[in-house]
Amino acid sequence: QKEVEQNSGPLSVPEGAIASLNCTYSDRVSQSFFWYRQYSGKSPELIMSIYSNGDKEDGRFTAQLNKASQYVSLLIRDSQPSDSATYLCAVNAGGTSYGKLTFGQGTILTVHP
Amino acid sequence: DTEVTQTPKHLVMGMTNKKSLKCEQHMGHRAMYWYKQKAKKPPELMFVYSYEKLSINESVPSRFSPECPNSSLLNLHLHALQPEDSALYLCASSQRAGQDYGYTFGSGTRLTVV
Repeated sequence: QKEVEQNSGPLSVPEGAIASLNCTYSDRVSQSFFWYRQYSGKSPELIMSIYSNGDKEDGRFTAQLNKASQYVSLLIRDSQPSDSATYLCAVNAGGTSYGKLTFGQGTILTVHP
Repeated sequence: DTEVTQTPKHLVMGMTNKKSLKCEQHMGHRAMYWYKQKAKKPPELMFVYSYEKLSINESVPSRFSPECPNSSLLNLHLHALQPEDSALYLCASSQRAGQDYGYTFGSGTRLTVV
């Protein structure tokens, strides 16, 4: 089982719709969760972090965390063509891997006009 | 200054060459990282430096040699690389090497080994 799993997509949504991206993780001691956006040929950009169960909103982005289900998601409201990118879920492990950020495979999102 | 600066942006090197990648940040971050990313794959951790000391080495071959001369600089020395080492090399930094900190990535060095 992979440590961090995402649907690779591609996920295609029309402009103005809600895009929903999902991620599961295997290590129950994980405490910190991040979403990165990566445009083709560019480096990852941090867009959301979440540490507690529940929802966290920042502009058009909402991150949701459910530690009991080991599940984290990202909702993008009013999706725009400029949101088209690969979205990487990342988990920061504890214990001996303190400081190690493990990424999922990424979900390719396409927002079409 | 909220950036991580990597140089060079592109590098082509032969298998017998020695080259170095450089990473610099002036955000006062005390943790710095090297990641390797192949096309259509997620970044994979290579090294973690915490307070200028190597804290994690993900069993990286010795042809990759990291160095952290001070809290703002991180180098990756390359020697006798193989074509399969061609990838995007990403440097990142965070306030501390802990669970609560997201990374800031540099723009990367695209390395081609010929």
